Amino acid sequence: KQEVTQIPAALSVPEGENLVLNCSFTDSAIYNLQWFRQDPGKGLTSLLLIQSSQREQTSGRLNASLDKSSGRSTLYIAASQPGDSATYLCAVKGGSRLTFGEGTQLTVNP
Amino acid sequence: NAGVTQTPKFRVLKTGQSMTLLCAQDMNHEYMYWYRQDPGMGLRLIHYSVGEGTTAKGEVPDGYNVSRLKKQNFLLGLESAAPSQTSVYFCASNTGGVEAFFGQGTRLTVV
Repeated sequence: KQEVTQIPAALSVPEGENLVLNCSFTDSAIYNLQWFRQDPGKGLTSLLLIQSSQREQTSGRLNASLDKSSGRSTLYIAASQPGDSATYLCAVKGGSRLTFGEGTQLTVNP
Repeated sequence: NAGVTQTPKFRVLKTGQSMTLLCAQDMNHEYMYWYRQDPGMGLRLIHYSVGEGTTAKGEVPDGYNVSRLKKQNFLLGLESAAPSQTSVYFCASNTGGVEAFFGQGTRLTVV
Protein backbone atom coordinates (compact mmCIF):
# COMPACT_ATOMS: atom_id res chain seq x y z
CA LYS A 1 0.00 0.00 0.00
CA GLN A 2 1.34 3.39 -1.03
CA GLU A 3 1.86 5.87 1.79
CA VAL A 4 2.63 9.52 1.19
CA THR A 5 4.08 11.79 3.87
CA GLN A 6 4.56 15.55 3.75
CA ILE A 7 6.91 17.44 6.00
CA PRO A 8 6.53 19.92 7.58
CA ALA A 9 2.80 19.94 8.37
CA ALA A 10 2.89 23.71 8.72
CA LEU A 11 5.39 26.39 7.81
CA SER A 12 5.44 30.14 8.45
CA VAL A 13 7.99 32.32 6.66
CA PRO A 14 8.57 36.03 6.03
CA GLU A 15 7.86 37.41 2.57
CA GLY A 16 10.73 37.05 0.13
CA GLU A 17 12.15 33.87 1.59
CA ASN A 18 12.91 30.84 -0.56
CA LEU A 19 11.43 27.65 0.82
CA VAL A 20 11.22 23.90 0.26
CA LEU A 21 8.30 21.58 0.89
CA ASN A 22 8.94 17.85 1.12
CA CYS A 23 6.98 14.82 0.00
CA SER A 24 8.01 11.20 0.46
CA PHE A 25 6.36 8.00 -0.72
CA THR A 26 6.90 4.35 0.12
CA ASP A 27 6.39 2.59 -3.23
CA SER A 28 8.67 3.78 -6.02
CA ALA A 29 6.57 2.10 -8.74
CA ILE A 30 4.77 5.29 -9.74
CA TYR A 31 3.56 6.82 -13.01
CA ASN A 32 3.82 10.41 -11.88
CA LEU A 33 3.71 12.82 -8.96
CA GLN A 34 1.59 15.94 -8.89
CA TRP A 35 1.73 19.00 -6.66
CA PHE A 36 -1.50 20.86 -5.86
CA ARG A 37 -2.42 24.04 -4.09
CA GLN A 38 -5.59 24.39 -2.01
CA ASP A 39 -6.90 27.68 -0.66
CA PRO A 40 -9.20 27.57 2.40
CA GLY A 41 -12.66 26.32 1.50
CA LYS A 42 -11.70 25.81 -2.14
CA GLY A 43 -10.88 22.98 -4.49
CA LEU A 44 -7.47 21.75 -5.64
CA THR A 45 -5.44 23.60 -8.24
CA SER A 46 -2.77 21.64 -10.07
CA LEU A 47 0.68 23.28 -9.91
CA LEU A 48 3.14 20.83 -11.43
CA LEU A 49 3.13 17.28 -12.76
CA ILE A 50 6.33 15.23 -12.90
CA GLN A 51 6.35 12.01 -14.87
CA SER A 52 8.25 9.07 -13.39
CA SER A 53 10.94 9.43 -16.08
CA GLN A 54 11.54 13.10 -15.29
CA ARG A 55 13.75 14.68 -12.64
CA GLU A 56 12.13 18.09 -12.35
CA GLN A 57 9.54 20.52 -13.64
CA THR A 58 9.43 24.30 -13.41
CA SER A 59 6.64 26.84 -13.60
CA GLY A 60 7.45 30.44 -12.79
CA ARG A 61 8.74 30.63 -9.21
CA LEU A 62 7.96 26.97 -8.59
CA ASN A 63 10.32 24.07 -9.15
CA ALA A 64 9.46 20.48 -8.33
CA SER A 65 11.98 17.66 -8.27
CA LEU A 66 11.53 13.91 -8.19
CA ASP A 67 13.91 11.20 -6.99
CA LYS A 68 11.92 8.06 -7.63
CA SER A 69 14.55 5.66 -6.32
CA SER A 70 14.60 7.31 -2.89
CA GLY A 71 10.86 7.99 -2.87
CA ARG A 72 11.16 11.76 -2.52
CA SER A 73 9.93 14.94 -4.14
CA THR A 74 10.48 18.56 -3.23
CA LEU A 75 8.59 21.70 -4.16
CA TYR A 76 10.81 24.77 -4.17
CA ILE A 77 9.13 28.19 -4.01
CA ALA A 78 11.38 31.14 -4.78
CA ALA A 79 10.87 34.63 -3.41
CA SER A 80 7.70 33.75 -1.52
CA GLN A 81 4.76 36.17 -1.45
CA PRO A 82 1.73 36.50 0.86
CA GLY A 83 -0.41 35.24 -2.03
CA ASP A 84 1.45 31.93 -1.82
CA SER A 85 -0.25 31.24 1.51
CA ALA A 86 -2.23 28.02 1.08
CA THR A 87 -2.06 24.30 1.71
CA TYR A 88 0.21 22.39 -0.67
CA LEU A 89 -0.55 18.76 -1.39
CA CYS A 90 1.43 16.14 -3.24
CA ALA A 91 -0.23 13.14 -4.88
CA VAL A 92 1.35 10.01 -6.31
CA LYS A 93 -0.17 8.03 -9.19
CA GLY A 94 0.69 4.35 -8.93
CA GLY A 95 -1.31 1.59 -10.58
CA SER A 96 -4.93 2.74 -10.61
CA ARG A 97 -4.82 4.92 -7.54
CA LEU A 98 -3.96 8.50 -6.79
CA THR A 99 -2.66 8.75 -3.20
CA PHE A 100 -2.32 12.03 -1.32
CA GLY A 101 -0.16 13.28 1.48
CA GLU A 102 -1.77 15.28 4.27
CA GLY A 103 -0.39 18.56 3.02
CA THR A 104 1.79 21.41 4.22
CA GLN A 105 0.01 24.56 5.36
CA LEU A 106 2.14 27.52 4.26
CA THR A 107 1.80 31.03 5.64
CA VAL A 108 3.86 33.83 4.11
CA ASN A 109 3.90 36.90 6.35
CA PRO A 110 4.15 40.42 4.84
CA ASN B 1 -13.99 24.10 -20.72
CA ALA B 2 -16.06 22.48 -17.97
CA GLY B 3 -13.41 19.94 -16.88
CA VAL B 4 -14.81 18.17 -13.80
CA THR B 5 -18.19 19.27 -12.47
CA GLN B 6 -19.70 18.19 -9.18
CA THR B 7 -23.30 18.57 -8.14
CA PRO B 8 -24.56 19.63 -5.70
CA LYS B 9 -22.07 22.06 -4.15
CA PHE B 10 -23.70 22.08 -0.74
CA ARG B 11 -26.17 19.78 1.00
CA VAL B 12 -27.56 19.25 4.47
CA LEU B 13 -29.01 15.83 5.24
CA LYS B 14 -30.75 14.35 8.23
CA THR B 15 -29.37 11.14 9.68
CA GLY B 16 -30.74 8.18 7.77
CA GLN B 17 -31.53 10.08 4.58
CA SER B 18 -30.02 9.08 1.26
CA MET B 19 -28.48 11.11 -1.52
CA THR B 20 -26.38 10.85 -4.66
CA LEU B 21 -23.46 13.05 -5.62
CA LEU B 22 -22.78 13.41 -9.32
CA CYS B 23 -19.38 13.88 -10.92
CA ALA B 24 -19.19 14.63 -14.63
CA GLN B 25 -16.05 15.04 -16.75
CA ASP B 26 -15.78 16.06 -20.38
CA MET B 27 -12.13 15.09 -21.00
CA ASN B 28 -12.72 11.45 -22.00
CA HIS B 29 -10.70 10.31 -18.97
CA GLU B 30 -10.65 6.64 -18.08
CA TYR B 31 -10.03 6.98 -14.34
CA MET B 32 -12.38 8.68 -11.91
CA TYR B 33 -12.09 9.00 -8.15
CA TRP B 34 -14.13 10.03 -5.13
CA TYR B 35 -12.32 11.45 -2.08
CA ARG B 36 -13.39 12.87 1.21
CA GLN B 37 -11.44 15.59 2.99
CA ASP B 38 -11.62 16.04 6.72
CA PRO B 39 -9.62 18.47 8.87
CA GLY B 40 -6.17 17.12 9.65
CA MET B 41 -6.66 13.97 7.55
CA GLY B 42 -5.88 15.01 4.01
CA LEU B 43 -7.77 13.45 1.10
CA ARG B 44 -8.84 9.85 1.57
CA LEU B 45 -9.92 7.70 -1.34
CA ILE B 46 -13.47 6.34 -1.05
CA HIS B 47 -13.99 4.53 -4.37
CA TYR B 48 -12.53 4.76 -7.82
CA SER B 49 -13.17 3.54 -11.35
CA VAL B 50 -10.73 2.55 -14.09
CA GLY B 51 -13.30 2.65 -16.88
CA GLU B 52 -16.97 2.55 -17.78
CA GLY B 53 -18.78 -0.20 -15.89
CA THR B 54 -15.98 -0.72 -13.35
CA THR B 55 -15.66 0.33 -9.71
CA ALA B 56 -13.24 -0.49 -6.90
CA LYS B 57 -12.92 0.23 -3.19
CA GLY B 58 -10.48 2.76 -1.84
CA GLU B 59 -9.32 3.37 1.74
CA VAL B 60 -12.66 4.33 3.30
CA PRO B 61 -15.49 2.72 1.27
CA ASP B 62 -17.88 1.77 4.09
CA GLY B 63 -21.25 3.51 3.93
CA TYR B 64 -20.84 4.53 0.28
CA ASN B 65 -21.70 3.00 -3.07
CA VAL B 66 -20.70 4.09 -6.56
CA SER B 67 -21.67 3.51 -10.16
CA ARG B 68 -20.05 4.30 -13.52
CA LEU B 69 -22.68 3.50 -16.11
CA LYS B 70 -21.33 6.11 -18.53
CA LYS B 71 -17.69 6.96 -19.04
CA GLN B 72 -18.21 10.64 -18.29
CA ASN B 73 -20.17 10.20 -15.04
CA PHE B 74 -19.24 8.77 -11.65
CA LEU B 75 -21.95 8.71 -8.99
CA LEU B 76 -21.38 8.46 -5.24
CA GLY B 77 -24.33 7.30 -3.15
CA LEU B 78 -25.02 7.46 0.55
CA GLU B 79 -27.83 5.04 1.37
CA SER B 80 -28.29 5.99 5.03
CA ALA B 81 -26.35 9.10 5.96
CA ALA B 82 -24.55 9.29 9.31
CA PRO B 83 -23.00 12.31 11.06
CA SER B 84 -19.57 10.71 10.51
CA GLN B 85 -20.09 11.31 6.79
CA THR B 86 -20.07 15.06 7.29
CA SER B 87 -17.17 16.10 5.09
CA VAL B 88 -16.10 17.78 1.89
CA TYR B 89 -16.24 15.41 -1.07
CA PHE B 90 -14.03 15.80 -4.13
CA CYS B 91 -14.20 14.06 -7.45
CA ALA B 92 -11.19 13.75 -9.77
CA SER B 93 -10.39 12.26 -13.15
CA ASN B 94 -7.33 11.43 -15.23
CA THR B 95 -5.96 8.99 -17.75
CA GLY B 96 -2.66 7.15 -17.51
CA GLY B 97 0.19 9.55 -16.86
CA VAL B 98 -1.61 12.83 -17.43
CA GLU B 99 -2.43 15.24 -14.65
CA ALA B 100 -5.50 14.75 -12.50
CA PHE B 101 -8.27 17.34 -12.55
CA PHE B 102 -10.52 18.00 -9.60
CA GLY B 103 -14.04 19.26 -9.16
CA GLN B 104 -14.77 22.15 -6.82
CA GLY B 105 -16.08 19.93 -4.05
CA THR B 106 -19.38 19.16 -2.32
CA ARG B 107 -19.77 20.27 1.27
CA LEU B 108 -22.05 17.76 3.00
CA THR B 109 -23.40 18.15 6.52
CA VAL B 110 -25.33 15.32 8.19
CA VAL B 111 -27.33 16.39 11.23
